[in-house]
Amino acid sequence: QVQLVESGGGVVQPGRSLKLSCAASGFTLSDCDMHWARQAPGKGLEWVALLSKSESIAYYGDSLMGRFTISSDRSKNTLFLQMNSLRPEDTAVYYCATVCETSSGFDFWGQGTLVTVSS
Amino acid sequence: DIQMTQSPSTLSASVGDRVTITCRASQSISTWLAWYQQQPGKAPKLLISDVSNLRSGVPSRFSGSGSGTEFTLTISSLQPDDFATYYCQQFYSFPYTFGQGTNLEIK
Repeated sequence: QVQLVESGGGVVQPGRSLKLSCAASGFTLSDCDMHWARQAPGKGLEWVALLSKSESIAYYGDSLMGRFTISSDRSKNTLFLQMNSLRPEDTAVYYCATVCETSSGFDFWGQGTLVTVSS
Repeated sequence: DIQMTQSPSTLSASVGDRVTITCRASQSISTWLAWYQQQPGKAPKLLISDVSNLRSGVPSRFSGSGSGTEFTLTISSLQPDDFATYYCQQFYSFPYTFGQGTNLEIK
């Protein structure tokens, strides 16, 4: 069965970097578009980034201002999110999610990893 | 960016009630719309894709409709597990924006 397991979250000071991982099992990354979304404490969902299944397309949310980079390691079937120049407003639970079986809808989600940006 | 606006933000209802949540897009998104349910402390769960395609395993009391700029999620007879927060999301263009959420609470 499909499983997504995020890791790499934690407490980080403003201006520092953090790299999140999403280990996928039950499918291969080349079969699905992969996304990151986030949810600030007590707030709604925000789409963060896409990496297409061909790895030829990457898109990012407007608020990220070029600070985040989505990538993958196909040999490890793992998705990454490199986050630089972190700000307090980046504090959120970060989820990886797939578009595998639908044309509109994140059909599988990880459990999320919490990133806290604070001095 | 396409803005997605859900109404109401909070909905109070009872078990057995029929409820409808509306999602409006700031421009036409055709049928590129999904609905999710999120329980507290959990990841969202896909209920409906492409406006009206019920995800496998989702109870048939959930249904979706609409096209263009106005969409609805209907729960025909509320069950205790349905009290949660619901989000719509458009997949028409980047960024793939979400609605602000509708908190469905027990009356």
